[in-house]
Amino acid sequence: GAGVSQTPSNKVTEKGKYVELRCDPISGHTALYWYRQSLGQGPEFLIYFQGTGAADDSGLPNDRFFAVRPEGSVSTLKIQRTERGDSAVYLCASSPLSGREYNEQFFGPGTRLTVL
Amino acid sequence: GIQVEQSPPDLILQEGANSTLRCNFSDSVNNLQWFHQNPWGQLINLFYIPSGTKQNGRLSATTVATERYSLLYISSSQTTDSGVYFCAVEPLTGFQKLVFGTGTRLLVSP
Repeated sequence: GAGVSQTPSNKVTEKGKYVELRCDPISGHTALYWYRQSLGQGPEFLIYFQGTGAADDSGLPNDRFFAVRPEGSVSTLKIQRTERGDSAVYLCASSPLSGREYNEQFFGPGTRLTVL
Repeated sequence: GIQVEQSPPDLILQEGANSTLRCNFSDSVNNLQWFHQNPWGQLINLFYIPSGTKQNGRLSATTVATERYSLLYISSSQTTDSGVYFCAVEPLTGFQKLVFGTGTRLLVSP
């Protein structure tokens, strides 16, 4: 079946602009996660949704970052007043939260965000 | 928070060689995954292995949860094995989020 998809694959914006990044998880997966990966480092957790609600948003760096998952499937990560330090690859993952390997996370290809 | 360290940080192999990558973590975990990040940036699932040993073709992994480490074995390496290998752990109180290690960058030359 289809994996996790993310759009756009690349996004270039100017400092101060607003951006939205979209994630389509694997069909039927209950959990959805956003991570951020800076050059040369491992991904770092941002936020976790179980269904429609954000169960853990402790990784969001500040209040310019917000994410929603209104129908428990597609999620959008929203960044206001972008800064150059926000430049990174934003990764989305999903997991079934059922079965033997309940929290095996599967990752999308990422959105590369560049803030000029 | 939990610390996840991987060794070696960099590894260069000739095609056909074997290697062992190590992941140490500082606290008990619910879950551990190994990923391969290919040169295009895609994270590919290798193993979901909170404990025990698993094998998949030329790759195998062992996690000793009581001693807080995991090993990834690559046998008969191929150039397509090049990339970065990450282990990631789900802390006991982490609400299912993964904490990634520092990664091992592998280059397999022909």
